[in-house]
Amino acid sequence: RKEVEQDPGPFNVPEGATVAFNCTYSNSASQSFFWYRQDCRKEPKLLMSVYSSGNEDGRFTAQLNRASQYISLLIRDSKLSDSATYLCVVERSGAGSYQLTFGKGTKLSVIP
Amino acid sequence: NAGVTQTPKFQVLKTGQSMTLQCAQDMNHEYMSWYRQDPGMGLRLIHYSVGAGITDQGEVPNGYNVSRSTTEDFPLRLLSAAPSQTSVYFCASTLTRAASTDTQYFGPGTRLTVL
Repeated sequence: RKEVEQDPGPFNVPEGATVAFNCTYSNSASQSFFWYRQDCRKEPKLLMSVYSSGNEDGRFTAQLNRASQYISLLIRDSKLSDSATYLCVVERSGAGSYQLTFGKGTKLSVIP
Repeated sequence: NAGVTQTPKFQVLKTGQSMTLQCAQDMNHEYMSWYRQDPGMGLRLIHYSVGAGITDQGEVPNGYNVSRSTTEDFPLRLLSAAPSQTSVYFCASTLTRAASTDTQYFGPGTRLTVL
C-alpha cells in the first residue's frame, strides 16, 4: 500500500458545485496532515492544515479520521479559480527532523 | 522578502554533464529541502538540511549532492546527469524543522531535461 493515496481525478465540476476529495495514509505514526494546492506548472502552496477535530477556512473544510487513516477536503460553492491539483501531505517526525510525504494529487477543473 | 528563489528556471543537459541548481531564501529559515516531481508521482524528497553545515539524505538521493555553507543557500548538484533525472525540481524552506508549526514555502521550480 502506498504511503499516501489519492484519487487522481480529474474531477470536472460546474461552478457553484460542492466537491470532496479523499486521501488515505498507511503509516499510523503520521502526526500532522495538510492539503496543498498546486496550479499548473507552479509550485505547491499550503492550502490548510488538517486537525483532528476538523477545521474550516471559508469554503474549504478538512476532516481527519485517525482510526481509518483517512483525510478529506470539501470545497463548497466551487469557483473557476479553484481549478488546480490538490495534494494530500502527511508528516512524520523522527531522529530530530520531519519528513513530508506527498500524495500524487487530485486534479480539479471547475467549469463555467 | 523574495521568499525562496531558484535558478535556472529551465535547463537542458546532455547525459553525463554536471550542473548545480541554485536555491536561496531570505527568510532566515533553518530547514531547507530539495524535491523532485515527476508526472504521475508525488513530490519526492532528495536531500534536506536542518541548518548550516548539516545535510542528510531523503528518499531519492542517488546522483545528487548538496551542501549548506550558509543559512540562505542550498545548492543541488547533479554529478553526471542521466535521462532518469529529467524532472521538475523544487526547493523548499521552513522556519524550523516541524511542518506542523511552520509553513513550508516552495521555490518556483527548475524544469530539467536530460537528453
